[in-house]
Amino acid sequence: EAEVAQSPRYKITEKSQAVAFWCDPISGHATLYWYRQILGQGPELLVQFQDESVVDDSQLPKDRFSAERLKGVDSTLKIQPAELGDSAMYLCASSSEAAEETQYFGPGTRLLVL
Amino acid sequence: KQEVTQIPAALSVPEGENLVLNCSFTDSAIYNLQWFRQDPGKGLTSLLLIQSSQREQTSGRLNASLDKSSGRSTLYIAASQPGDSATYLCAVGSNDYKLSFGAGTTVTVRA
Repeated sequence: EAEVAQSPRYKITEKSQAVAFWCDPISGHATLYWYRQILGQGPELLVQFQDESVVDDSQLPKDRFSAERLKGVDSTLKIQPAELGDSAMYLCASSSEAAEETQYFGPGTRLLVL
Repeated sequence: KQEVTQIPAALSVPEGENLVLNCSFTDSAIYNLQWFRQDPGKGLTSLLLIQSSQREQTSGRLNASLDKSSGRSTLYIAASQPGDSATYLCAVGSNDYKLSFGAGTTVTVRA
């Protein structure tokens, strides 16, 4: 069964350092999402891509976060510089064109900023 | 902005008891509603998806109902098992492919 892949699974970094997360969606899925989930809360959307275009990045802290999906397939989320408050689970999800289809989530990257 | 609330935040039951998890949302103009399961430190697994035109969906021991007019959904898990222990998240879908999540209900099923 096809799955969303994410790496790394865990990342520990010091504040002010740069970190990057990678996501490979299910083959053929045009829509890709990055979410941030703080412990004890539900996921919150950071950025949504349709193919290689950003559809919504209104909740992305653009002074330190960036996201790209250059060829409309895999995607990278970067944080520079990392802050203590960035410690969270970063989840990637993908879905097909149809809004009635579910989003499929990857295993996530757990980030700890010291 | 869609606000999604899940009550209770945590629930502990003995094995075999039925589970009832509640979800409420503020904007009834939804496209669909989904229930997800999340194990500790893991990603989300979709359990059930209910389209806005539907009233309920069933999968095995799971049944989810949707009442759009009152802004409520309920997930029922029959005859709970220790393996059902997890966090259950409700997510409301909009027609622009976005999901708004609740904070989840953490379930513990005691053997």
